[in-house]
Amino acid sequence: ETGVTQTPRHLVMGMTNKKSLKCEQHLGHNAMYWYKQSAKKPLELMFVYSLEERVENNSVPSRFSPECPNSSHLFLHLHTLQPEDSALYLCASSQLTGELFFGEGSRLTVL
Amino acid sequence: KQEVTQIPAALSVPEGENLVLNCSFTDSAIYNLQWFRQDPGKGLTSLLLIQSSQREQTSGRLNASLDKSSGRSTLYIAASQPGDSATYLCAVRPLGQLSGTYKYIFGTGTRLKVLA
Repeated sequence: ETGVTQTPRHLVMGMTNKKSLKCEQHLGHNAMYWYKQSAKKPLELMFVYSLEERVENNSVPSRFSPECPNSSHLFLHLHTLQPEDSALYLCASSQLTGELFFGEGSRLTVL
Repeated sequence: KQEVTQIPAALSVPEGENLVLNCSFTDSAIYNLQWFRQDPGKGLTSLLLIQSSQREQTSGRLNASLDKSSGRSTLYIAASQPGDSATYLCAVRPLGQLSGTYKYIFGTGTRLKVLA
């Protein structure tokens, strides 16, 4: 196992569903991130965890709920999403202020 | 407020050409700058990381430079190949309070197409 792994790679959900995205890093990093990438927009930082403590929220709607049970795992819990939440969700990790490494992303479609 | 700009938004070149991608940022108080490559529908792959004290970094056919005082970085790709076709993004990590140093600010990228 190497790098940053995200599951599932693709997810289709209705507006009333509850689902979760999972991220796992095997790099020994102590910071993990969730980013949202929409078409023709810069990457948007959603959440940052450092040493399992959330240090950045970035005014994300409460229908997105992060969880970081340990320094290797990060989840993004999704519920009652809107169609405009359809996007590529990217997980990343780093050593505090070091190089940022990304996973392959989870493509989310909300119907 | 830090802003990162990448111009042009798209670029097509014939195979074998040397090319330069540009990244501009408005605030020179940065910790480092990182270049990434993104293939369609995929995650970002780190190419080069330049610390604020460095002027350039090299990896294979790639060379990235940093001029903090002018707020500019360039990514030079030598002898381009069709496999280099992708979107290239730059991101700066601002200096400041600890929470601020987690905020990588990304540009919107340059979409490169290398024609065979």
